[in-house]
Amino acid sequence: EAGVAQSPRYKIIEKRQSVAFWCNPISGHATLYWYQQILGQGPKLLIQFQNNGVVDDSQLPKDRFSAERLKGVDSTLKIQPAKLEDSAVYLCASRRTGTYEQYFGPGTRLTVT
Amino acid sequence: DAKTTQPNSMESNEEEPVHLPCNHSTISGTDYIHWYRQLPSQGPEYVIHGLTSNVNNRMASLAIAEDRKSSTLILHRATLRDAAVYYCILRDVRAANAGKSTFGDGTTLTVKP
Repeated sequence: EAGVAQSPRYKIIEKRQSVAFWCNPISGHATLYWYQQILGQGPKLLIQFQNNGVVDDSQLPKDRFSAERLKGVDSTLKIQPAKLEDSAVYLCASRRTGTYEQYFGPGTRLTVT
Repeated sequence: DAKTTQPNSMESNEEEPVHLPCNHSTISGTDYIHWYRQLPSQGPEYVIHGLTSNVNNRMASLAIAEDRKSSTLILHRATLRDAAVYYCILRDVRAANAGKSTFGDGTTLTVKP
């Protein structure tokens, strides 16, 4: 089966600009996660969706970050406006209901200058 | 959230066994122990998980202490391709938190030829 797809793979923007990331999970996976991974650290969960509903967004900086999964399949994560400290790899993962394994995409490396 | 403690780094020789320890002294009865690994420039990938009993799969073995306060991931014969960051994670499987977990900073495994 095809894995989790993410685009773009790399993005360089200036601070105060906006950026959006796209994720297509594995077909049939109801749960979708967005993580932020700063260099040298483990992934930090930003938001978790179950179908098109938000399960957990407690660590999402809602003043500048937003995410949606309108049809319960693809998802987008947006940052507006970006700050220097947002430089990180943004990882998307998905999981089939009733299983434990999360499947991760390759990530999008964001550099904010 | 229950936390895990892992050594920052470990070294191994190729084709020798590797034992990666993880301490989780505050684990609750509903926490499963999961291991993921992250190869350079890739998203994390699932390795193995368990609750109380030792577990084996094609990638590794998981040994869980009787009191569940620690566990050890065992790679039986390390290869150069096993060089990665290994994350030990506790995942609460109660309905409200299904799939929620917190990644620490993991153990960086270096495999020497």
